[in-house]
Amino acid sequence: EIVLTQSPATLSLSPGERATLSCRASQSVRSYLAWYQQKPGQAPRLLIYDASNRATGIPARFSGSGSGTDFTLTISSLEPEDFAVYYCQHRSMWPLTFGGGTKVETK
Amino acid sequence: EVQVLESGGGLVQPGGSLRLSCAASGFTFTNSAMTWVRQAPGKGLEWVSTISAGGDSTTYSESVKGRFTISRDNSRNTVSLQMNSLRAEDTAVYYCARGGPDSTSPNPYFDPWGQGTLVTVSS
Repeated sequence: EIVLTQSPATLSLSPGERATLSCRASQSVRSYLAWYQQKPGQAPRLLIYDASNRATGIPARFSGSGSGTDFTLTISSLEPEDFAVYYCQHRSMWPLTFGGGTKVETK
Repeated sequence: EVQVLESGGGLVQPGGSLRLSCAASGFTFTNSAMTWVRQAPGKGLEWVSTISAGGDSTTYSESVKGRFTISRDNSRNTVSLQMNSLRAEDTAVYYCARGGPDSTSPNPYFDPWGQGTLVTVSS
C-alpha cells in the first residue's frame, strides 16, 4: 500500500498570503495524484488531477506540481473561501489511498 | 448538471446489514467507473470500493473485503453498496463519487461527490 504523508498538518495563514502544501508518497506514483478540497459539512471537491491539471471551474490561483514521490499544492493568494482541509490521493495502484489532510486555517 | 445522490444510511447494530444506493445523473453513466469513499467522524478520507464502467470489475479495501459488495445497474444509473457484518469502525459518512481507475473510463479521479450518507453502527 502506498502511504501519502501530507505536511504540515495545519497551516495558519492570512487572506492574501501564499499557501504551500506538501504530499509525499512512500513510493513513486508517477503523476497519478489528485488534490481535493473539503469544507466543513461538505463533500470533497476535486481541485487538481494528474499532479498539475486544474479541474473544471477551479480558479487559477490553485496550482499543482511534482511527480514521483513529492508533490505540492500552491494557492497563490488565499481567498476567504479557501480556508478548508486539503487531501491528496493517488491512483497509481490498488488500494487507492488518501493523505491525512492539511487544514488551512485563518491566522 | 453532473450529480450523484446517496441514500440508505442509518443506525444499525453491530453484525447487521445495510444497503446504500447512489443515483447518478447528468452524464453517461455507462462510461464511468463509480466509487465509494468513507469518512469516520472527525477523520480523513478512506477509499472503500470501485466498480468499473461495465460492472465486470470490482475492487475493495482490505478493511471491507468479504463484507461489502459493490454493484451497479446501468439501466437505472445507480450504484449500490451492500454492507454486511457491520462493525463499530464502519461508522462514517459514505460518499458516492463518479470515477475511479478503469481503462475504459474517462474519469480516473473522483468528481463529483455526493453529499454523503451517515452510517452509524452501534448497539
